[in-house]
Amino acid sequence: EAGVTQFPSHSVIEKGQTVTLRCDPISGHDNLYWYRRVMGKEIKFLLHFVKESKQDESGMPNNRFLAERTGGTYSTLKVQPAELEDSGVYFCASSLGGVRNEQFFGPGTRLTVL
Amino acid sequence: QKEVEQDPGPLSVPEGAIVSLNCTYSNSAFQYFMWYRQYSRKGPELLMYTYSSGNKEDGRFTAQVDKSSKYISLFIRDSQPSDSATYLCATQSKAAGNKLTFGGGTRVLVKP
Repeated sequence: EAGVTQFPSHSVIEKGQTVTLRCDPISGHDNLYWYRRVMGKEIKFLLHFVKESKQDESGMPNNRFLAERTGGTYSTLKVQPAELEDSGVYFCASSLGGVRNEQFFGPGTRLTVL
Repeated sequence: QKEVEQDPGPLSVPEGAIVSLNCTYSNSAFQYFMWYRQYSRKGPELLMYTYSSGNKEDGRFTAQVDKSSKYISLFIRDSQPSDSATYLCATQSKAAGNKLTFGGGTRVLVKP
């Protein structure tokens, strides 16, 4: 069974540009999470989808970040316009849900904003 | 104050030694506790998932939870060079939608 996949693995953009990150969860997983790790800090929660609905977006830093999960399958996270402080590694995780909610992570997208 | 505190290390041990890692947390609402292993430039890989105080063993790995002290530990027996990685503790509560709250990670180096 394929794990969580993310694309691209690395993106380098200039300040003010737009970048879209993609996450494909494990097939059948209704729950999809986005997390971010900025340099020197711990991994932090951004938002949570259940199927196509945003369950919790309390971790989104500001309105330059837009996440979607059309059809409840893959998800995209768009940053527009990107700022220097958006640099970091963006992780996606998915889970089945239920009593045990183990989350399985993708390899991450390393975003560098110059 | 961070919700989950973890010593960043690095922790260097000789091959075959026991690796002892720990985290403390502040929120008593946390119900579930995880340990992830992360190799350089890879995503976190789930190692252990526990939800009650006590010990849970899986092969060379033992996770320990003490909810009264808000203290979680991971022990790796007979450590191997392939265990060299960053180990992340994480906590979770249903009330908070099961989002994970991570410690900063401890870098472990097992020397052959």
